Amino acid sequence: GDSVTQMEGPVTLSEEAFLTINCTYTATGYPSLFWYVQYPGEGLQLLLKATKADDKGSNKGFEATYRKETTSFHLEKGSVQVSDSAVYFCALSEVPGAGSYQLTFGKGTKLSVIP
Amino acid sequence: NAGVTQTPKFQVLKTGQSMTLQCAQDMNHEYMSWYRQDPGMGLRLIHYSVGAGITDQGEVPNGYNVSRSTTEDFPLRLLSAAPSQTSVYFCASSYSSGEGNEKLFFGSGTQLSVL
Repeated sequence: GDSVTQMEGPVTLSEEAFLTINCTYTATGYPSLFWYVQYPGEGLQLLLKATKADDKGSNKGFEATYRKETTSFHLEKGSVQVSDSAVYFCALSEVPGAGSYQLTFGKGTKLSVIP
Repeated sequence: NAGVTQTPKFQVLKTGQSMTLQCAQDMNHEYMSWYRQDPGMGLRLIHYSVGAGITDQGEVPNGYNVSRSTTEDFPLRLLSAAPSQTSVYFCASSYSSGEGNEKLFFGSGTQLSVL
């Protein structure tokens, strides 16, 4: 079945450092790929997404590129802020349109940014 | 802007008790789903619904029942609580806008402990 593998956390960075959170996936078809973020005490929020190979999703300074050849969707940000401290989840949906209700999530990576 | 509302926020049950987790959305979303979040496991889909009167099982449906009598509400029922159901439960909803436009809106979660 489908699966998503994220780098183990927690990740601790100093403010303004460069961030990479690795995500690789296993799927039989051509999935849509997502990054969701969960701030402390809240539900998840969609951060960015990409629906086909070589697409780049971006939002709030975060970027991720859909790499079909390496089955990866790594999350990057050039300069993190304390407010970026959260848990980040990579996810996929194999069924077209079912990213609305049938997502497979990774285990999450906790990011802490210190001043 | 209420969005997705979950109640209660916290609940403690004894083994064998039953209860219903409530979820309501005011965005007229067709799709609704329930996830559980466990440490080191990410989010796993329990049940989902693509419209009133239509429900289906996700990855981990055992021990849970759902129904969808209205567009707004999607309650999750635990029939006989077990310690293995100790978790944080998230309800989510979304538009049925098809491929390329998927975005889940999450509630703030219910933290359930079964003793």
